[in-house]
Amino acid sequence: KNEVEQSPQNLTAQEGEFITINCSYSVGISALHWLQQHPGGGIVSLFMLSSGKKKHGRLIATINIQEKHSSLHITASHPRDSAVYICAVIKAAGNKLTFGGGTRVLVKP
Amino acid sequence: GAVVSQHPSWVICKSGTSVKIECRSLDFQATTMFWYRQFPKQSLMLMATSNEGSKATYEQGVEKDKFLINHASLTLSTLTVTSAHPEDSSFYICSASGATGFREQYFGPGTRLTVT
Repeated sequence: KNEVEQSPQNLTAQEGEFITINCSYSVGISALHWLQQHPGGGIVSLFMLSSGKKKHGRLIATINIQEKHSSLHITASHPRDSAVYICAVIKAAGNKLTFGGGTRVLVKP
Repeated sequence: GAVVSQHPSWVICKSGTSVKIECRSLDFQATTMFWYRQFPKQSLMLMATSNEGSKATYEQGVEKDKFLINHASLTLSTLTVTSAHPEDSSFYICSASGATGFREQYFGPGTRLTVT
């Protein structure tokens, strides 16, 4: 079993819909990242969390350390949100990122 | 702030030649840089971690003589793919972390390597 699991693997939404992507991990961590990768390949770091909740524009990320779970929410989704969203954790004893398998999001106009 | 660039963004080379990819932190000092490889529809795989002024630490299964990493300054790391083969064709991405600590990582835009 992977140390970082994401669900769903694929998601299709209509423009304007609320989207939730989930990430569960099985190891102790010092931080969790949400990353966005567009079809061209470049990666953008959306959030780094170690507790609580962060909001940036239409994106909200939450983390529950006790439950080892994080969610990424996209409100009022737009076709430009179509991308692969990746959850990655930094284990408590290290400095490397361990990646989830990614969630491929397609937002249709 | 916290911008990381890579050069080139794409490169095509012949089998047997060497290719150098640069990763630069533009507005911060990167004490640690990470090199990743990504095959189509797969997740990123860490190849190596480099700290400025010291030898890179390679992940298991990554040939250090084939993938030469140099982190000579706080703003530049290079990955050289030596004697490239078609199976080395991949998307190579670097990330960098700096004075705020290793938990903050900033990613470069990636370099697509095609070996013919």
